[in-house]
Amino acid sequence: ELKVEQNPLFLSMQEGKNYTIYCNYSTTSDRLYWYRQDPGKSLESLFVLLSNGAVKQEGRLMASLDTKARLSTLHITAAVHDLSATYFCAVSQIQGAQKLVFGQGTRLTINP
Amino acid sequence: EAQVTQNPRYLITVTGKKLTVTCSQNMNHEYMSWYRQDPGLGLRQIYYSMNVEVTDKGDVPEGYKVSRKEKRNFPLILESPSPNQTSLYFCATKVGDLMNTEAFFGQGTRLTVV
Repeated sequence: ELKVEQNPLFLSMQEGKNYTIYCNYSTTSDRLYWYRQDPGKSLESLFVLLSNGAVKQEGRLMASLDTKARLSTLHITAAVHDLSATYFCAVSQIQGAQKLVFGQGTRLTINP
Repeated sequence: EAQVTQNPRYLITVTGKKLTVTCSQNMNHEYMSWYRQDPGLGLRQIYYSMNVEVTDKGDVPEGYKVSRKEKRNFPLILESPSPNQTSLYFCATKVGDLMNTEAFFGQGTRLTVV
């Protein structure tokens, strides 16, 4: 059974600092997604990572995928308050039911 | 504008009273799915549909039903809601091939069963 774990689950950081959110998954997959959710809102797609070694960047966020280690990272550079949100990674299950399996989410708070 | 529309957005109901949460998409996507979101658990799949008249169970299907009579709509039915179905529900749609594109999510439906 595919399991996805994120850490940390809660992260409070200062503006201007760098930090990384980690996403580990338990079985083979080479399709990984990052989503952002603001309080009371829906999920917004950030990145789609489709192959080993994939790296994508958008503004202060950069996501990477290592399928051999079954690990994806979401790196935040010089954080700003607007990036405060909950971030989810999700992995496509290849065998069996067609679904995305989500991590628990990382609630990121960026303080001025 | 590409949209996934859920209704209602908020619902408080009593145990045992049947309800339906609707989901409609205008993107002509084959794949649609329902998730529930609970604190500390992320999103868990309830049911999904690969196309019209094709539905299958996800991870937490107990207490729920779905139907897919037309491509754009995928309603979630709670025949006899119970308090443990209090949750935030999301409908998601995707182009048919699950692998290469992201899913688009509706605005969410916050359901409280008392």
